[in-house]
Amino acid sequence: GDSVTQMEGPVTLSEEAFLTINCTYTATGYPSLFWYVQYPGEGLQLLLKATKADDKGSNKGFEATYRKETTSFHLEKGSVQVSDSAVYFCALSDVDSNYQLIWGAGTKLIIKP
Amino acid sequence: EAQVTQNPRYLITVTGKKLTVTCSQNMNHEYMSWYRQDPGLGLRQIYYSMNVEVTDKGDVPEGYKVSRKEKRNFPLILESPSPNQTSLYFCASSSDQTVGTEAFFGQGTRLTVV
Repeated sequence: GDSVTQMEGPVTLSEEAFLTINCTYTATGYPSLFWYVQYPGEGLQLLLKATKADDKGSNKGFEATYRKETTSFHLEKGSVQVSDSAVYFCALSDVDSNYQLIWGAGTKLIIKP
Repeated sequence: EAQVTQNPRYLITVTGKKLTVTCSQNMNHEYMSWYRQDPGLGLRQIYYSMNVEVTDKGDVPEGYKVSRKEKRNFPLILESPSPNQTSLYFCASSSDQTVGTEAFFGQGTRLTVV
């Protein structure tokens, strides 16, 4: 079945550092890929998404490119801020999962001033 | 404001005492679901509903019930809670279940069963 694997956290960085959070997936079809973010004490909210190969999703300075050849959707940001501290979830949906969201375990990001 | 509202935000209860967590959305969404979030396990789907009166089991339905009598509401019922149901619960809704559809989440309910 479909699955999503994310790098384990926590990831601790200093402010203005470059961020990469790795996400790889397994799917038999052509999934849509998502990054959701969960700020402390809040629910999840969509950060960005991509629905086909080579698409780049972007929002709030974050980017991720749908790489079908490596089945990856890594999240990147050039210069992180303390306010980016949160838990980040990679997820996919496709016809084979009846469009149910399949989630990674989440990666906690801690940004130190 | 478009939102998914869960209540309560925090709940401590005793083993075996029935409880209900409410969820309401104001976006006229057809699809709603419940998840639990546990450390290291990500989100696991408990139940989902494609529309009024249509519900189905997710990955971890044991010990839970749901109902969908109205489009906007999707309560989660624990008939006889046990300590292993201590978790953070999220309700979510989306307009449909197709490629690329965004899910909207409530703020979560932290449940402790002692």
